[in-house]
Amino acid sequence: RKEVEQDPGPFNVPEGATVAFNCTYSNSASQSFFWYRQDCRKEPKLLMSVYSSGNEDGRFTAQLNRASQYISLLIRDSKLSDSATYLCVVNRPYNTDKLIFGTGTRLQVFP
Amino acid sequence: SAVISQKPSRDICQRGTSLTIQCQVDSQVTMMFWYRQQPGQSLTLIATANQGSEATYESGFVIDKFPISRPNLTFSTLTVSNMSPEDSSIYLCSVLAGSTYEQYFGPGTRLTVT
Repeated sequence: RKEVEQDPGPFNVPEGATVAFNCTYSNSASQSFFWYRQDCRKEPKLLMSVYSSGNEDGRFTAQLNRASQYISLLIRDSKLSDSATYLCVVNRPYNTDKLIFGTGTRLQVFP
Repeated sequence: SAVISQKPSRDICQRGTSLTIQCQVDSQVTMMFWYRQQPGQSLTLIATANQGSEATYESGFVIDKFPISRPNLTFSTLTVSNMSPEDSSIYLCSVLAGSTYEQYFGPGTRLTVT
């Protein structure tokens, strides 16, 4: 089983749609969770950290379910500029500085 | 977040040669990391660059192939030695932000080995 597993997509959605990405992680000892966004031929950029209570930043909502070892990202009112690859990232258990990256979910928003 | 720059942004190199990639941060940071992203893949951690001591390498990566320097808290280099086409990849440095374990990435170095 992969340490961090994501549906690779692509997700093709129209502008204004709501889209949700899911991610599972294998080790229950992981403590820190993130979503990064990576545009084509660019570096990953931190989109948001994911907290146990869930958190929202504008159109983006992240949820964490520790019992199921599951992380989600919801994007509401999709914009063309949201087209990118979204990386689910968790810290390595017992080594909080080191991150494990999922392979990413590609989103394409069309007009 | 820290501002991170990398040099060169891209290079095309011949097999058997070496390339040194520089990473510069605009503020002092404790933790710096080097990653590789092969075409169509996600990021893989190569090593942690430790200031004043040898880098800590991940499984599958060795110092002879990827020597790293970290002379101070704002700068690090990664050398890709004796390159082969399999080393063609994007190499990224990152820094750890404070106590939140969030990492920020440099723009990357796109390396092509012919």
